[in-house]
Amino acid sequence: AQSVTQLDSHVSVSEGTPVLLRCNYSSSYSPSLFWYVQHPNKGLQLLLKYTSAATLVKGINGFEAEFKKSETSFHLTKPSAHMSDAAEYFCVVSDLANYGGSQGNLIFGKGTKLSVKP
Amino acid sequence: NAGVTQTPKFQVLKTGQSMTLQCAQDMNHNSMYWYRQDPGMGLRLIYYSASEGTTDKGEVPNGYNVSRLNKREFSLRLESAAPSQTSVYFCASTGRGPYEQYFGPGTRLTVT
Repeated sequence: AQSVTQLDSHVSVSEGTPVLLRCNYSSSYSPSLFWYVQHPNKGLQLLLKYTSAATLVKGINGFEAEFKKSETSFHLTKPSAHMSDAAEYFCVVSDLANYGGSQGNLIFGKGTKLSVKP
Repeated sequence: NAGVTQTPKFQVLKTGQSMTLQCAQDMNHNSMYWYRQDPGMGLRLIYYSASEGTTDKGEVPNGYNVSRLNKREFSLRLESAAPSQTSVYFCASTGRGPYEQYFGPGTRLTVT
């Protein structure tokens, strides 16, 4: 069965410094992987997705993530944090082989709250 | 294109009351989903509808029912609300394949 572990529940960075949000996944088959962002009192917005093409995926707002099969990781990075990046970030896995099966098709991590200090 | 819309945005219920949360999408998507979000728990799937006319249970279906009214609309019903159902509810939809889901703005429900 697939699962997602976000290794930090809360990350705090200073504005202008790099961001690293860590995610490990478990999947029996070739996964699709996503990062979503949720700003306070808002819905979820897709940041980026990996669907078995290039292993380095670029998303919106300067974020990117690298799929590393050997490490079963999909960490989210940004070179320079901005105050507007303060939000909660969710790593999500979709198991292609189980799409349409009894469990739906996305499994969410518990989220990492990113704080950005001025 | 409104995307995914949800009504109401906020609701307060007393224990035992019933209500229906409405969701509609205008992207011609086949699949629709209902999630609940609780602090520190991420999003958990309540029910989903892979296509018009079908619905299936997700991870936490107890206490809920759903109706896929047509391709656009997918409603979630609480027949007898309980305080444990206090949560933020999100509807989502997706097109072909197990690709990204598009989320509505959420309904914040409090059961007292």
